[in-house]
Amino acid sequence: SQQGEEDPQALSIQEGENATMNCSYKTSINNLQWYRQNSGRGLVHLILIRSNEREKHSGRLRVTLDTSKKSSSLLITASRAADTASYFCATDRAFGNEKLTFGTGTRLTIIP
Amino acid sequence: NAGVTQTPKFQVLKTGQSMTLQCAQDMNHEYMSWYRQDPGMGLRLIHYSVGAGITDQGEVPNGYNVSRSTTEDFPLRLLSAAPSQTSVYFCASSYSMGGETQYFGPGTRLLVL
Repeated sequence: SQQGEEDPQALSIQEGENATMNCSYKTSINNLQWYRQNSGRGLVHLILIRSNEREKHSGRLRVTLDTSKKSSSLLITASRAADTASYFCATDRAFGNEKLTFGTGTRLTIIP
Repeated sequence: NAGVTQTPKFQVLKTGQSMTLQCAQDMNHEYMSWYRQDPGMGLRLIHYSVGAGITDQGEVPNGYNVSRSTTEDFPLRLLSAAPSQTSVYFCASSYSMGGETQYFGPGTRLLVL
């Protein structure tokens, strides 16, 4: 069963605007990761945030984690056409098996 | 450094046929895994391996077999293809399970008629 669920399922914004997508999960986690998938390609790792971290930055990406709400958000600032892709969160659960479980993804379209 | 490679890129099978999807990595990763991706379902784990000679089932293992005779290779076998196995298959590898960046291959698109 899916551990993570992204929201919204699809998002369209103008180039230059900021894009925010959210991920909610069900059980306690050790880590949460965000991946990007361009159409017809494999997934590419963007950022990892550990359960004891609240915020992390990487270039134009900002990820937050709220373990009390079991949720994370990915913010892409100053979006570019090249950011058009699907974005997935992935979690590995605390206590026991650490297999990575992916959400269903957010499809982001940047309008030039 | 080729990363994770997968072959073939695309395959059409008839129901009941068998085939092997190949996956190889040159990063000396211990952990390798197979996922399938279906529309609206995200990625679902089929099988995984934490090292040569060690494999285990994921979320959707039925109809698939794996083996891991070397660190580099992790083939996925479809024993008797069914239309429900039409999907895109991704192989991934990382240094260890959990808490590590997963490196994905380009995928194999499989159509079962």
